Amino acid sequence: DAGVTQSPTHLIKTRGQQVTLRCSPKSGHDTVSWYQQALGQGPQFIFQYYEEEERQRGNFPDRFSGHQFPNYSSELNVNALLLGDSALYLCASSLAVELAVDNEQFFGPGTRLTVL
Amino acid sequence: AQSVAQPEDQVNVAEGNPLTVKCTYSVSGNPYLFWYVQYPNRGLQFLLKYITGDNLVKGSYGFEAEFNKSQTSFHLKKPSALVSDSALYFCAVSYGGATNKLIFGTGTLLAVQP
Repeated sequence: DAGVTQSPTHLIKTRGQQVTLRCSPKSGHDTVSWYQQALGQGPQFIFQYYEEEERQRGNFPDRFSGHQFPNYSSELNVNALLLGDSALYLCASSLAVELAVDNEQFFGPGTRLTVL
Repeated sequence: AQSVAQPEDQVNVAEGNPLTVKCTYSVSGNPYLFWYVQYPNRGLQFLLKYITGDNLVKGSYGFEAEFNKSQTSFHLKKPSALVSDSALYFCAVSYGGATNKLIFGTGTLLAVQP
């Protein structure tokens, strides 16, 4: 059973460019959340997708957008990249049903984005 | 505002000694509390969680944590540290449900000396 997978592993972009990161959730999971982890910081919540819609959003500008596909996989898009967008981007998957006692968020290995 | 505090940037402990990594939280309502571990260049690995019930929660790799509502704390503990436990540990809180957004602390680097 594959866990959460993310691609690419590393990415280098220049300021002003656009980037797309991809995530495949753990088998059986239908909810995908994205987090940004800057160097030396804890992860910060960007947004969460369920049933192909953005359900929750953190304090991130509109340059950050996402999408969820019918197979539950997800993309994170960042436009007009800034130097400050350099970070590890983590994807987490979970089940939307809250009643599951063993429900928690499983994280992927992340995509390291460097903006020059 | 909801928040999590990890007051120690780094904890040093000798192998075989007990370890404690501290976490306090501030959240309205009933919190869902989590501990995750991160090894270099890796994602976050789930260790344990508190949702409800017994205040002492046992998790992976011999770790446990105690939920203390009066002190709003959720400290991570292990009776005997291993060198392989050396990693970055994050405490997180979720309100409104285990699948809702997680609010993370800034992390504590655990260094276990042989």
